[in-house]
Amino acid sequence: DTGVSQDPRHKITKRGQNVTFRCDPISEHNRLYWYRQTLGQGPEFLTYFQNEAQLEKSRLLSDRFSAERPKGSFSTLEIQRTEQGDSAMYLCASSAVRSRELFFGEGSRLTVL
Amino acid sequence: DQQVKQNSPSLSVQEGRISILNCDYTNSMFDYFLWYKKYPAEGPTFLISISSIKDKNEDGRFTVFLNKSAKHLSLHIVPSQPGDSAVYFCAASAQAGGTSYGKLTFGQGTILTVHP
Repeated sequence: DTGVSQDPRHKITKRGQNVTFRCDPISEHNRLYWYRQTLGQGPEFLTYFQNEAQLEKSRLLSDRFSAERPKGSFSTLEIQRTEQGDSAMYLCASSAVRSRELFFGEGSRLTVL
Repeated sequence: DQQVKQNSPSLSVQEGRISILNCDYTNSMFDYFLWYKKYPAEGPTFLISISSIKDKNEDGRFTVFLNKSAKHLSLHIVPSQPGDSAVYFCAASAQAGGTSYGKLTFGQGTILTVHP
């Protein structure tokens, strides 16, 4: 399967714990995006990488959130000291250079108790 | 500020008929528009897109129409099939610094149900 893959698919955690999500983009795509989707809403942009450089972060990405793409391949999204409001689907997407069509993974659903 | 709006939360259509999903936007800087389809527990899947230099783009059963003056786009599915039942998201993007990239602004989605 050469699509975008995300891990884990579902994470249940207690408030205050740290969680990390991983995304493996389509191999030839050098752009990688993180989005968050809550119930009844469309996905909301969080951050964007071109290769290993993080080029933009949304205001939604508080100090408790950090994303990395250390070698320009896979990416991680870490949420520290989780809060119940962090419960959402975290979507990763990738695209080729000069393409505005994003290919999404299946998402990582976070439930904070 | 909701820059992309899908005002119909749901749409129910009979198999074989036309489904029309609507989307409005407010940001005049948007110059590229996309439709995504999403099944439960899956990520959004790209369906069709249109650049602002066009007013229509067709791909099989799917056609997207863009009315720039009204800041409105629509997705037509003809004929509708039960397998088309899903959530449909409209999305838009704007060029940033002369470079196009994939930061998309999504609408809230419309749940399409196609009855056999």
